[in-house]
Amino acid sequence: DTEVTQTPKHLVMGMTNKKSLKCEQHMGHRAMYWYKQKAKKPPELMFVYSYEKLSINESVPSRFSPECPNSSLLNLHLHALQPEDSALYLCASSQGYGDTDTQYFGPGTRLTVL
Amino acid sequence: EDQVTQSPEALRLQEGESSSLNCSYTVSGLRGLFWYRQDPGKGPEFLFTLYSAGEEKEKERLKATLTKKESFLHITAPKPEDSATYLCAVRGSQGNLIFGKGTKLSVKP
Repeated sequence: DTEVTQTPKHLVMGMTNKKSLKCEQHMGHRAMYWYKQKAKKPPELMFVYSYEKLSINESVPSRFSPECPNSSLLNLHLHALQPEDSALYLCASSQGYGDTDTQYFGPGTRLTVL
Repeated sequence: EDQVTQSPEALRLQEGESSSLNCSYTVSGLRGLFWYRQDPGKGPEFLFTLYSAGEEKEKERLKATLTKKESFLHITAPKPEDSATYLCAVRGSQGNLIFGKGTKLSVKP
């Protein structure tokens, strides 16, 4: 089983709202990722958690705040977003963060910021 | 700088018409080349990982090959359900995946 689940599937929020995206995997993977994908573009890495510690932050604005409460869960807290933040937000996980570790993606959350 | 270039951007095939997608890469020491399939509005679905030149992997109508500078995804006798965007990625120096822009494949019945 290589399933990564994400909730919600769709989210519409105003620029003053606070919302959270949730990602879950039960494969025993110890690395989890957030990607952002704009229309007709490839996924762009935002954050990497390895063994529940933030190991990479790709210069993401502070209005995006990741959290890894345990090895199975990854959250992305959103606050004061801009319309240009509208995109498909993808979560992924892998066994570890080594060269032989394949990343498996969830279905994504389609975010619209009004 | 690590870079991935995919061609063509879009490819239209008739059902049964075999073809190949190209992924050329520039990376200091290849640590894995990955192929994913992505349907509209969905997350990428893992297809293959290749690590060394000469390596080949197959899955149903798809076959991925790797040389020192590029990878090919060969599609044999495609069906309409093979229509999707195919993404190629390499592992960058920080261990992150660097994606190409993808090839959008359309297979008409």
